[in-house]
Amino acid sequence: DGGITQSPKYLFRKEGQNVTLSCEQNLNHDAMYWYRQDPGQGLRLIYYSQIVNDFQKGDIAEGYSVSREKKESFPLTVTSAQKNPTAFYLCASSPGRKLYGYTFGSGTRLTVV
Amino acid sequence: RKEVEQDPGPFNVPEGATVAFNCTYSNSASQSFFWYRQDCRKEPKLLMSVYSSGNEDGRFTAQLNRASQYISLLIRDSKLSDSATYLCVVNRVSSNTGKLIFGQGTTLQVKP
Repeated sequence: DGGITQSPKYLFRKEGQNVTLSCEQNLNHDAMYWYRQDPGQGLRLIYYSQIVNDFQKGDIAEGYSVSREKKESFPLTVTSAQKNPTAFYLCASSPGRKLYGYTFGSGTRLTVV
Repeated sequence: RKEVEQDPGPFNVPEGATVAFNCTYSNSASQSFFWYRQDCRKEPKLLMSVYSSGNEDGRFTAQLNRASQYISLLIRDSKLSDSATYLCVVNRVSSNTGKLIFGQGTTLQVKP
C-alpha cells in the first residue's frame, strides 16, 4: 500500500543534542512538508519541498534543517538552536503544484529530557 | 487576523444530534478548501474537500460562502465515533505551490 512513513514514533532529546526525524513516502508525490503541532494549537509549517534538491522555509524554520536528496525522503533535523522542540511533528506529501490535500504520516512525538 | 479561524469549542452534543462548524478565512483569493479530521494524538486525515457548489458525503455536508469568506461543515445524526477535532484548511494564495494553512481545529464530543 502507498503511504507516508515517519520514524521514530517517540523520540527523546537531551539538551544541546541534534536529532533527525525520518519521513519516507512511496506515493510518488513531488511535494513534501514538515509541520509542528503544539497542544491545543494548529499546525505550523516548518519547511517544505516541491522538488528534489530544493526546499523552502516555512513560518517557523529557525532551529530546524532539512534535505531532499531523494523524491521519497524528506528528513527533518531539530538542532540545538531550537529552544522549545517538544512537540508533535507531522510530515505530509502532496502531488505538488496542483491544489490537492495532503497525506500525512503518523507523526513523531519529540520530548526534551 | 489569523489566516484561518475556527471556534475551538468543545461542542458537546448527544448522539443523533446535528452539529455545524464554521470557519473563516482571510484571503478572498483562496481557491482550495478542505475539512480534516484529527483524532487525539493521531495525524490529521482528509475528511472532504469543499466545492463552490457545496458537497455531501453521507452524513457530512460542506458549504463554501465566498462572499463572506467562510466554510461550514454540517454533521447529521452524530455518532460517538464522530468525536474528534475538525480542522478547517485553506490554500495559501501567495504561491501556487499547494501550501495549506490549517485552522486551530474545533473539538466535537458526542455523548451517549
